[in-house]
Amino acid sequence: KAGVTQTPRYLIKTRGQQVTLSCSPISGHRSVSWYQQTPGQGLQFLFEYFSETQRNKGNFPGRFSGRQFSNSRSEMNVSTLELGDSALYLCASSLVSGRNEKLFFGSGTQLSVL
Amino acid sequence: AQTVTQSQPEMSVQEAETVTLSCTYDTSESDYYLFWYKQPPSRQMILVIRQEAYKQQNATENRFSVNFQKAAKSFSLKISDSQLGDAAMYFCAYVSGNKLVFGAGTILRVKS
Repeated sequence: KAGVTQTPRYLIKTRGQQVTLSCSPISGHRSVSWYQQTPGQGLQFLFEYFSETQRNKGNFPGRFSGRQFSNSRSEMNVSTLELGDSALYLCASSLVSGRNEKLFFGSGTQLSVL
Repeated sequence: AQTVTQSQPEMSVQEAETVTLSCTYDTSESDYYLFWYKQPPSRQMILVIRQEAYKQQNATENRFSVNFQKAAKSFSLKISDSQLGDAAMYFCAYVSGNKLVFGAGTILRVKS
């Protein structure tokens, strides 16, 4: 069974641009979560989607948005990029939404904002 | 607010030896879940072990075991017979709602 796939692996953008990151969960998994990882702030929760509905949202500005499609694939979008958005963005999937669920992570998308 | 604290930014262990990584957390909940994740240079977060708070027995997965002290809100990870492949960043995490709250991480270096 294929793991969680995130594309692209690396991305370079300039300030003010927008970016879309993609995450394909493990087959059969219906919950997708997104996390931002930076050296300064560590790992922070962005949002979770389950059955195309946002279930939970972290403390990030409205420039960060996401969506989930009927096949459970998810995308996150960051508009008007700032230098501080440079980070590793990790996606995780689980069978269903629940706090005892095991999360399976992808290898992330490394975003650099110049 | 729930917080997770890992007080050791970096640890070293000799191959085949045992090492313990520390983690404390703060929560007002009585039933919750705790995790240890490993992040090797490939960047993919890998679940090492999971502990359910209502279970008294400490979780064990092969060479990995935890010392869960609920009253002290402590959740340490013990790695026995350390191997070169254990070198990675280790994160302690707590489930709050449906999201994971992570500690700052501990870099584990394994010396041959």
